[in-house]
Amino acid sequence: SQTIHQWPATLVQPVGSPLSLECTVEGTSNPNLYWYRQAAGRGLQLLFYSVGIGQISSEVPQNLSASRPQDRQFILSSKKLLLSDSGFYLCASTKDRYNEQFFGPGTRLTVL
Amino acid sequence: QQPVQSPQAVILREGEDAVINCSSSKALYSVHWYRQKHGEAPVFLMILLKGGEQKGHDKISASFNEKKQQSSLYLTASQLSYSGTYFCGTEAGNTDKLIFGTGTRLQVFP
Repeated sequence: SQTIHQWPATLVQPVGSPLSLECTVEGTSNPNLYWYRQAAGRGLQLLFYSVGIGQISSEVPQNLSASRPQDRQFILSSKKLLLSDSGFYLCASTKDRYNEQFFGPGTRLTVL
Repeated sequence: QQPVQSPQAVILREGEDAVINCSSSKALYSVHWYRQKHGEAPVFLMILLKGGEQKGHDKISASFNEKKQQSSLYLTASQLSYSGTYFCGTEAGNTDKLIFGTGTRLQVFP
């Protein structure tokens, strides 16, 4: 099975500051990778997904961006955070669409 | 496009049964089910594929009705550990992305 690492676990940032969240995957090669955001008490919103190095699909237009510099590394970034960027950010990995998605432990981001 | 789940919340006593439904407005090729405990990441329960059988996992099973574009999750003889929020995820069309449903919060009491 796959292991997904995310850090940091918790982050408090001021409005207008930059953001970089990293996700790395162990136990598989060439996975599909995903970034989700979950607001408090809400569902999972797909932000970005990637089927290969340098291939990024954006689902929601916003001030966030994603990059995949290596096969098992997925990075979520922002140049200037907004209050509405607060939430629980989850990285997920799957071998293909017919298999389960493995989730990382998540990063809880609070923008003040 | 987001699948709709019903009910939104369920309260059970240990040993009772529950059914959670997931409906989509688009044709479905597969349905995933996940459970999320408070403050934790979602955990995979099962996946149902178009043309596949009803799946089972211990006392949790699920069905997939392609014609009605819906799936149901059946929890039998619920245990305290079943508490959490259940999400269905649908892969609509020939894509690699999963769209999660609105969620159903399940609470099991002794």
